[in-house]
Amino acid sequence: EDKVVQSPLSLVVHEGDTVTLNCSYEVTNFRSLLWYKQEKKAPTFLFMLTSSGIEKKSGRLSSILDKKELSSILNITATQTGDSAIYLCAVEVASNTGKLIFGQGTTLQVKP
Amino acid sequence: GAVVSQHPSRVICKSGTSVKIECRSLDFQATTMFWYRQFPKQSLMLMATSNEGSKATYEQGVEKDKFLINHASLTLSTLTVTSAHPEDSSFYICSADGGALTSTDTQYFGPGTRLTVL
Repeated sequence: EDKVVQSPLSLVVHEGDTVTLNCSYEVTNFRSLLWYKQEKKAPTFLFMLTSSGIEKKSGRLSSILDKKELSSILNITATQTGDSAIYLCAVEVASNTGKLIFGQGTTLQVKP
Repeated sequence: GAVVSQHPSRVICKSGTSVKIECRSLDFQATTMFWYRQFPKQSLMLMATSNEGSKATYEQGVEKDKFLINHASLTLSTLTVTSAHPEDSSFYICSADGGALTSTDTQYFGPGTRLTVL
């Protein structure tokens, strides 16, 4: 059975801290790994990773995929209270439908 | 670009009634849309894949007769929760494949519908 596991499930930090969120997966026919940020409503897209070892970066956020270890990390540097959210990792399975399998999510709380 | 809307955003209904949720891709055509449900403090669980002009593909454990999906056009998919019960109360989110609209080839999510069944 395909599965995606995230850790930690929850995290509380203070503004300015750096955090690392983990995502590991076991799927057949891996196509890509995606990170989303979910605040009150629907998830918003952060990154899509398909190649191992290539870091993707957007401002204070960055992410990298390790296909050998079947995992990915999402780093957030100099955290701000606005980074408080649920961070979801999803793996796209290669098919003609682009099905996503989501991890449980990591709830991040950034305190002032 | 790549905006997905859902309607209604929130619905409260009595047990035994049916509720229809609409998902629209506003500025692109989506041959494939996905329906998820999310319970409090849990992740998104894929319910079904909706394909324009054909029958939806349901995930294991999802009752197709209870959760009716219609993908009548390239911009609209509907999910009808039939004979809703309190255990169907959840946050329902749709997504649409952005396809050629963007280079990321990812799914774009609607804002979700909060269903409460009394």
